[in-house]
Amino acid sequence: GQNIDQPTEMTATEGAIVQINCTYQTSGFNGLFWYQQHAGEAPTFLSYNVLDGLEEKGRFSSFLSRSKGYSYLLLKELQMKDSASYLCAVQDSNYQLIWGAGTKLIIKP
Amino acid sequence: DAMVIQNPRYQVTQFGKPVTLSCSQTLNHNVMYWYQQKSSQAPKLLFHYYDKDFNNEADTPDNFQSRRPNTSFCFLDIRSPGLGDAAMYLCATSRVTGSGANVLTFGAGSRLTVL
Repeated sequence: GQNIDQPTEMTATEGAIVQINCTYQTSGFNGLFWYQQHAGEAPTFLSYNVLDGLEEKGRFSSFLSRSKGYSYLLLKELQMKDSASYLCAVQDSNYQLIWGAGTKLIIKP
Repeated sequence: DAMVIQNPRYQVTQFGKPVTLSCSQTLNHNVMYWYQQKSSQAPKLLFHYYDKDFNNEADTPDNFQSRRPNTSFCFLDIRSPGLGDAAMYLCATSRVTGSGANVLTFGAGSRLTVL
């Protein structure tokens, strides 16, 4: 079957660093996405990884290990506006997205 | 700005009273999606259109129907809403070319309340 696992909730402090993990088991793999979703709003695209390694984009970085079925999203210099849910999604061989339930990140001052 | 627009943003209906949600896009994307998302859950794909080809997910209830009269518009009809259909309904679009990342652009969502 298809399965994507992420922690349900994490808490971090403003200015700190947090790593959100995602593990997946899917029948096909054509890349992994991270989306940010603020409460009551639509998801917005953050990153896409298809090759192993780290992709850095400002304060956010995303890592992928295909052999381990593992990814993480690293957020640095946390700001209060980073409080949101972070959704991991795998693109299958038909270009459809299989979504995780998301990790709710709570930032404390 | 090119975007995905959903209407209404908030819809309150009574149990069993039909509802139609709309989505329009100015991105000229060839694929349009309807997702249902409940609190703290993953978005659940209901339908998608690849150009004019309609694709119904196997577990989408018959109570849900969709129409795409042209490339810019898509509608979600809920024929007889039940309490379990209360959710956020997300429309998304993408340009699928057969390779690369299928990046979805979402509308702001339509939140449905069923009384």
